[in-house]
Amino acid sequence: GENVEQHPSTLSVQEGDSAVIKCTYSDSASNYFPWYKQELGKRPQLIIDIRSNVGEKKDQRIAVTLNKTAKHFSLHITETQPEDSAVYFCAARAGTYKYIFGTGTRLKVLA
Amino acid sequence: DAMVIQNPRYQVTQFGKPVTLSCSQTLNHNVMYWYQQKSSQAPKLLFHYYDKDFNNEADTPDNFQSRRPNTSFCFLDIRSPGLGDAAMYLCATSSGGANVLTFGAGSRLTVL
Repeated sequence: GENVEQHPSTLSVQEGDSAVIKCTYSDSASNYFPWYKQELGKRPQLIIDIRSNVGEKKDQRIAVTLNKTAKHFSLHITETQPEDSAVYFCAARAGTYKYIFGTGTRLKVLA
Repeated sequence: DAMVIQNPRYQVTQFGKPVTLSCSQTLNHNVMYWYQQKSSQAPKLLFHYYDKDFNNEADTPDNFQSRRPNTSFCFLDIRSPGLGDAAMYLCATSSGGANVLTFGAGSRLTVL
């Protein structure tokens, strides 16, 4: 079945450094890849997404890259701040409406 | 301006006592989803509706049922909750065109 692997499971960085989270998906038909940030006790919030016809997308300090051949996509956060601390989930849309989530990365930004 | 509203936010039930969680949306989205999320794990898809078409995941236990009486509302029924069903239940919606998945605030279920 469809599967999304996410690494690392935890990540600690110093404030101001960059953070990179990587995901791999199994369904080659996947065509949409969102990233969600979830703070403790809150709902997942979409922070950036990318479609399969694009290789890279950037929004201020956040960027996502997609390698369709390798079925990899990555989240890059530059100049990290303490408020970036949260759990981040990648997801891949398999089929038309089904979203499969990665296992999550707990990011800690140390002040 | 909440767009996906879940009730109740917190639900405590006893082992085996049926529970219904509700979700309503003001987005007029075709697709509604129920996800189960346990302590910082990935949200696990239980089922989704495209309009009235129901799509059950193969590994969703029979204990979990869903109803969608109209576009705006969707319900999750847990017929006989077990201790292992304690979790956050997230409702989400999307439209076929925009694709963005929008989550509600969740309903946290405790089973005693």
